[in-house]
Amino acid sequence: AQTVTQSQPEMSVQEAETVTLSCTYDTSENNYYLFWYKQPPSRQMILVIRQEAYKQQNATENRFSVNFQKAAKSFSLKISDSQLGDTAMYFCAFMKHEVDVTEYGNKLVFGAGTILRVKS
Amino acid sequence: DAGITQSPRHKVTETGTPVTLRCHQTENHRYMYWYRQDPGHGLRLIHYSYGVKDTDKGEVSDGYSVSRSKTEDFLLTLESATSSQTSVYFCAISEGQGRGGQPEAFFGQGTRLTVV
Repeated sequence: AQTVTQSQPEMSVQEAETVTLSCTYDTSENNYYLFWYKQPPSRQMILVIRQEAYKQQNATENRFSVNFQKAAKSFSLKISDSQLGDTAMYFCAFMKHEVDVTEYGNKLVFGAGTILRVKS
Repeated sequence: DAGITQSPRHKVTETGTPVTLRCHQTENHRYMYWYRQDPGHGLRLIHYSYGVKDTDKGEVSDGYSVSRSKTEDFLLTLESATSSQTSVYFCAISEGQGRGGQPEAFFGQGTRLTVV
């Protein structure tokens, strides 16, 4: 079974500064996907970024980037130029890579979440 | 945004009463999921469906049942609600990687259920 651990329950950052959220995971799988989801106070789950484990290059999406360390099973999220709208709960999540049509896929395993507060 | 609608959005119910939450999709995705969100636990999978009338248990299935009689609808039932089932419930959908879909899931807006 896979587990995802987010060791920072809460973090805060000043507007325009950079912050890094940590995530570690445990799996025996070799191919998988890792995600960061954002949940603002509206409760909506928003996909921030996705990393494919078989790709060595770290994923980036505008101000969001990840540091993926497969051997260490570490997957951190860096937010640059933090904005007030980045205030939210952030979840790290794991998904197996499934190519067999008989597999019932895309089940996500989530970490406990990190509350990020951006201060003006 | 993916077409996923959860109903109701909020519900307060009494211990011991049955409760049904509904998830409706307009995307014709094969897979549907029910998760619950609790502080300190993130989201945990309750049940999922891989087709009409095909369902299976997730990590925290005790006390819950599901049904899927149509592709677009996935119902979650608490047969006899308990205070430990007070939570926020999310429905999600996906197409599945094995059938050419992307490795991603789309979430509904969530249902806040309070059992008193």
